[in-house]
Amino acid sequence: AQSVTQLGSHVSVSEGALVLLRCNYSSSVPPYLFWYVQYPNQGLQLLLKYTSAATLVKGINGFEAEFKKSETSFHLTKPSAHMSDAAEYFCAVIPTGANNLFFGTGTRLTVIP
Amino acid sequence: DAGVTQSPTHLIKTRGQQVTLRCSPKSGHDTVSWYQQALGQGPQFIFQYYEEEERQRGNFPDRFSGHQFPNYSSELNVNALLLGDSALYLCASTWVGRHEQYFGPGTRLTVT
Repeated sequence: AQSVTQLGSHVSVSEGALVLLRCNYSSSVPPYLFWYVQYPNQGLQLLLKYTSAATLVKGINGFEAEFKKSETSFHLTKPSAHMSDAAEYFCAVIPTGANNLFFGTGTRLTVIP
Repeated sequence: DAGVTQSPTHLIKTRGQQVTLRCSPKSGHDTVSWYQQALGQGPQFIFQYYEEEERQRGNFPDRFSGHQFPNYSSELNVNALLLGDSALYLCASTWVGRHEQYFGPGTRLTVT
């Protein structure tokens, strides 16, 4: 069965520090991969998507993610954290042939001033 | 350009009652999906509608049903509510054949 694993349910970084949120997927065939962000009491906002066009994907708000087939990973990074980045981040996958998103359990990012 | 809208924002119901949630997709989108997000969890897929037909369904009981209208808007109906149905219900829309989905703000359902 297709799934994604997010390592670390909580991540804390200092303002200005590197943000690294980890996501691994299980699939023998590279699926479509996404990162979404959810601010408190809000819906999900699409940060970026991987659809096999390029392995390094740039998204909104300075985030990017690199698809590594050999590691079955799709980690999210941002060079310098901002206070406004504090939120819940979800990695998600659409398996080949499917139409729905499978979400990881989420990583709560805290930014320390 | 209006994004995905959902109504109502919040809802409180009693066990055994029925509820209807509504969603209007982003302008130009023709495919609507519904997800349930329990507290502290990632969203789980309920079903997807395209051309007024249920296209795909997740692992949810028949108490969960839906509908899509000719203008692409959609409803989610839940019958015989259980305490465990308390969650944030998210609607997402896209174009058929595309994979990125755009989410609405959600409806917070509390069952007492």
